[in-house]
Amino acid sequence: DAGITQSPRHKVTETGTPVTLRCHQTENHRYMYWYRQDPGHGLRLIHYSYGVKDTDKGEVSDGYSVSRSKTEDFLLTLESATSSQTSVYFCAIRGSGNTGELFFGEGSRLTVL
Amino acid sequence: GENVGLHLPTLSVQEGDNSIINCAYSNSASDYFIWYKQESGKGPQFIIDIRSNMDKRQGQRVTVLLNKTVKHLSLQIAATQPGDSAVYFCAETPIGAAGNKLTFGGGTRVLVKP
Repeated sequence: DAGITQSPRHKVTETGTPVTLRCHQTENHRYMYWYRQDPGHGLRLIHYSYGVKDTDKGEVSDGYSVSRSKTEDFLLTLESATSSQTSVYFCAIRGSGNTGELFFGEGSRLTVL
Repeated sequence: GENVGLHLPTLSVQEGDNSIINCAYSNSASDYFIWYKQESGKGPQFIIDIRSNMDKRQGQRVTVLLNKTVKHLSLQIAATQPGDSAVYFCAETPIGAAGNKLTFGGGTRVLVKP
């Protein structure tokens, strides 16, 4: 158990509304990641963070923003949700070893109507 | 199986048989590889990893083989059990790359028949 909690686990919203997903970790890891998972595309990186207030874009960052004001929380925001953002979102943290293995949360299923 | 959908390659295997799952990667700079297992409704779970200075690594009932010449990775599961039914992903990254961002393959669904 890597101590990762995602909230909400399920959300249904309407097109054009803002949505924020939260990832909380309890083990003081420096690196945190947001991925989305869709049929036919596997897991794709949205944004990641390498420290408080330090974030960078992944391969599918358009339409998403992130914030990390403290080590334990990494927030993913959809400013104006679209149906193409219906997906399952996974938060991950990087383990403390010197390789690159990631440990994932349980996922947040978002449906945009 | 809601998290990965309908279009995955599927490997159907008899309980007790060995399974081999294959993955081709494209980034020649990748030197660290991981296999993940994802059960329905859950996040991916780390199974085993391998660095590019090795061509084989063994874990409990699992073996990962790496062929850098043809950029191919495989996961072998010995004596497959019903609990091995899941989707399996390979992932790659260059060690030391900014953010250590993993790139994932599309996944293979393994169905274990009793």
